[in-house]
Amino acid sequence: EAQVTQNPRYLITVTGKKLTVTCSQNMNHEYMSWYRQDPGLGLRQIYYSMNVEATDKGDVPEGYKVSRKEKRNFPLILESPSPNQTSLYFCASSRTGNGQPQHFGDGTRLSIL
Amino acid sequence: GQQLNQSPQSMFIQEGEDVSMNCTSSSIFNTWLWYKQDPGEGPVLLIALYKAGELTSNGRLTAQFGTTRKDSFLNISASIPSDVGIYFCAGQYYFGNEKLTFGTGTRLTIIP
Repeated sequence: EAQVTQNPRYLITVTGKKLTVTCSQNMNHEYMSWYRQDPGLGLRQIYYSMNVEATDKGDVPEGYKVSRKEKRNFPLILESPSPNQTSLYFCASSRTGNGQPQHFGDGTRLSIL
Repeated sequence: GQQLNQSPQSMFIQEGEDVSMNCTSSSIFNTWLWYKQDPGEGPVLLIALYKAGELTSNGRLTAQFGTTRKDSFLNISASIPSDVGIYFCAGQYYFGNEKLTFGTGTRLTIIP
């Protein structure tokens, strides 16, 4: 089954404790992306990756890091999480980055205390 | 970062009514996408538009890529209970700028 898998689905942690949210896709997609969703703001793109070793900032990259060492994986790293990063996070992938529709994971709800 | 202006923010309708929503942008896009999100799930693609003026249907859903490339519209005909959810538009320019920008969403509620 074609899917985008995120882990964990839920996480409560404290300020400053480094965390990683993993994302994996099994569709051999080139383009992967991370979004955060906050009430009234819709989905805002954090980082995207056109292919392995190619990452670019989205609209809200501050406080986040990503890496793309393999085509299927695109982890999101919060080196020193803060309460304003409490949000619902989605990973997505598409065949290419040129207007192809993105397939979304089921989301990760992060709470930073 | 850029946000798309999506309206209305919310709609309360009766089953069987038609629905219209739209998105506008200050800059042009080469692709417009419409998604629906159900509670506790990720967005699911409804319709993809790739050409200015394009009109595309998916069952009771019809979407249009505005001729100025700065807007898009989604219509739902004869709404049914499973249409409840949040609808998002998204635009992408690509050609060197592959960011995907989402609208703020339209929450559709069907009144019994």
